[in-house]
Amino acid sequence: DGGITQSPKYLFRKEGQNVTLSCEQNLNHDAMYWYRQDPGQGLRLIYYSQIVNDFQKGDIAEGYSVSREKKESFPLTVTSAQKNPTAFYLCASSALTGTVYGYTFGSGTRLTVV
Amino acid sequence: QQPVQSPQAVILREGEDAVINCSSSKALYSVHWYRQKHGEAPVFLMILLKGGEQKGHDKISASFNEKKQQSSLYLTASQLSYSGTYFCGTASGGSNYKLTFGKGTLLTVNP
Repeated sequence: DGGITQSPKYLFRKEGQNVTLSCEQNLNHDAMYWYRQDPGQGLRLIYYSQIVNDFQKGDIAEGYSVSREKKESFPLTVTSAQKNPTAFYLCASSALTGTVYGYTFGSGTRLTVV
Repeated sequence: QQPVQSPQAVILREGEDAVINCSSSKALYSVHWYRQKHGEAPVFLMILLKGGEQKGHDKISASFNEKKQQSSLYLTASQLSYSGTYFCGTASGGSNYKLTFGKGTLLTVNP
C-alpha cells in the first residue's frame, strides 16, 4: 500500500546537536511538506517542495534545513540554531495534478530536547 | 496568517449535530478539512474549490463561501468515531497546494 513513512517515531536530542528526521513516500506525489505541531497552535509550515532539487521556506523555517535529492524523500534537519525544537513534526505529500489535491500525512516524529 | 477556527472546542452527545467554522482574511483558492485523533496523523476529509460548492460524504459535509472567505464543516447525527481535532487548511494566491492551517477545533462526542 502507498503511504508516507516517517522515522523515527520518537527522538531525543541534546542541546547543541543537529538531528535529521526522515520522510519517504511511495505515492508518486510531486509535492512534499514539513509541518510543526505544538499544542494549541495547529500546524505551521516549515518547508515545502514541488520538485526535486527545489524547495521553499514556509512560515517558520529558521533553524531548519531540508533537501530534496529524490522525488520520494524529503528529510528535515533540525539544527542547533532552532531555539525551541521540542514539538511534533509531520511530513505530508500531495499530487499537483488531477482532481484531488488532499494531503497525505505521515505518522509523525515527536522530538524532545533533553 | 492562520485562518481562524471557531469554536475552539465542542462537546456533543452521540446523535447531536455540530458546525465548525473557518474564516480567512485572505482571498481563498480552496479550503481543505482534516481530522486528527490524539497522537495520530491528520486524515484528509474533503477539499472545496472556489465556486461556492458544497460537498459531503456520509454525515459530514462542508460549504465554501469564497466572497466571505469562509468555510463551514457540518457534522450531523454525530458518532463516537467523530471525536478528534478538526483542522481547516486554506490555499490562496492562485495556488492549491500550499496550505495554512487553523489552530483546530476539538470535538468530543460522548455516549
